[in-house]
Amino acid sequence: EIVLTQSPATLSLSPGERATLSCRASHSISSDLAWYQQKPGQAPRLLIYDATYRATGIPDRFSGSGSGTDFTLTISSLEPEDFAIYYCQRRSGWPPGFGPGTKVDIK
Amino acid sequence: QVQLVESGGGVVQPGRSLRLSCRTSGFTFSHFGMHWVRQTPAKGLELVAVIWYDGSNKYYADSVKGRFTISRDNSENTLYLQMNNLTAEDTAMYYCARDRGTRGNLYYFQHWGQGTLVTVSS
Repeated sequence: EIVLTQSPATLSLSPGERATLSCRASHSISSDLAWYQQKPGQAPRLLIYDATYRATGIPDRFSGSGSGTDFTLTISSLEPEDFAIYYCQRRSGWPPGFGPGTKVDIK
Repeated sequence: QVQLVESGGGVVQPGRSLRLSCRTSGFTFSHFGMHWVRQTPAKGLELVAVIWYDGSNKYYADSVKGRFTISRDNSENTLYLQMNNLTAEDTAMYYCARDRGTRGNLYYFQHWGQGTLVTVSS
């Protein structure tokens, strides 16, 4: 099974700063990767799919990059509503799996 | 707008059964694959089951295979998860999610319900 690891586990930043989140796959998954945002008490929300494409309604401060085994989610300038947990998810292989998450909290 | 509303969760004893429902609206239900995803603090997010848009194919995580059954009623725009022989390891928040693709599963979860909590405890 392809394992996803995310780093760092926690990222402490201030509003307006740039956030860079990493997701690494144990084997190549081409561009078959998505990113989700989850806030307390809410379901995850799809941000990015196919590694680089923003989902409908997602602000352009969110961007995704990477392919193969190394992927990055970048939030160019953190807004107050962006402090949340972010998960990567691969669709390659069965079953599709999620990473353990990166928590972005307020410094 | 797309809405998914889960129901049927609750507290149940080990070995018993529970049936979850997910009522949907705001899209053509019969055109989309649907999923059940569960979440626990310990194990994180886990895809439990998937069903094709027309119900022709169903797949399950190994952890629930033989115990859980996913189904759908396209005339009622509703997704189901029948859970039998429940164990403490099945305790989780269960979400239904709509696939991003039409008439073919992309395994990207475009829309989610608010979740229904299942607690297995004696």
